[in-house]
Amino acid sequence: KAGVTQTPRYLIKTRGQQVTLSCSPISGHRSVSWYQQTPGQGLQFLFEYFSETQRNKGNFPGRFSGRQFSNSRSEMNVSTLELGDSALYLCASSLSGDLETQYFGPGTRLLVL
Amino acid sequence: GDSVTQMEGPVTLSEEAFLTINCTYTATGYPSLFWYVQYPGEGLQLLLKATKADDKGSNKGFEATYRKETTSFHLEKGSVQVSDSAVYFCALSDIRTGRRALTFGSGTRLQVQP
Repeated sequence: KAGVTQTPRYLIKTRGQQVTLSCSPISGHRSVSWYQQTPGQGLQFLFEYFSETQRNKGNFPGRFSGRQFSNSRSEMNVSTLELGDSALYLCASSLSGDLETQYFGPGTRLLVL
Repeated sequence: GDSVTQMEGPVTLSEEAFLTINCTYTATGYPSLFWYVQYPGEGLQLLLKATKADDKGSNKGFEATYRKETTSFHLEKGSVQVSDSAVYFCALSDIRTGRRALTFGSGTRLQVQP
């Protein structure tokens, strides 16, 4: 069974631009969560989607948004990029949001110049 | 709110040494506790978990016991290998609060020398 895949793996953008990251969950998984990992703040929860609905949201500004499609694939979007948005963005999927069976993807590394 | 505190790294050990990485937590409810491992250039992998007090999680020679009285979940391994070199994250979740999200510690880098 294929694991969680994230595209692209690496991305370079400039301040003010916007970016869209994609996550394909494990087949059959309906919950997708996103986390941001930075050296300064560590791993922080962004949001969780289940059956195309956002169920949980972390403490991030409105520039960070996401969505989930009917096939459970998810995208997250960051508008008006800031230098501090440079991070590794991790996606995780599970059957129904059960954190005990959650699997993480390899991440997308975003560099904002 | 919920929080997790881990010992500062890096932890440098020789092969076959005993490993302990300390983790303590603060939570209002009765959280589940996890240890994740991140190898260079990769995402997170669940190493072990415990869902209630006195539970012991174990995997690949690693163990951790859920201690409610000391709010701790220390990771141990009797004999580390070079291949164990990675960053280890302690985390908790409390679904009873309605928040299906992990709260992570800051991570502890382990370096094992041959």
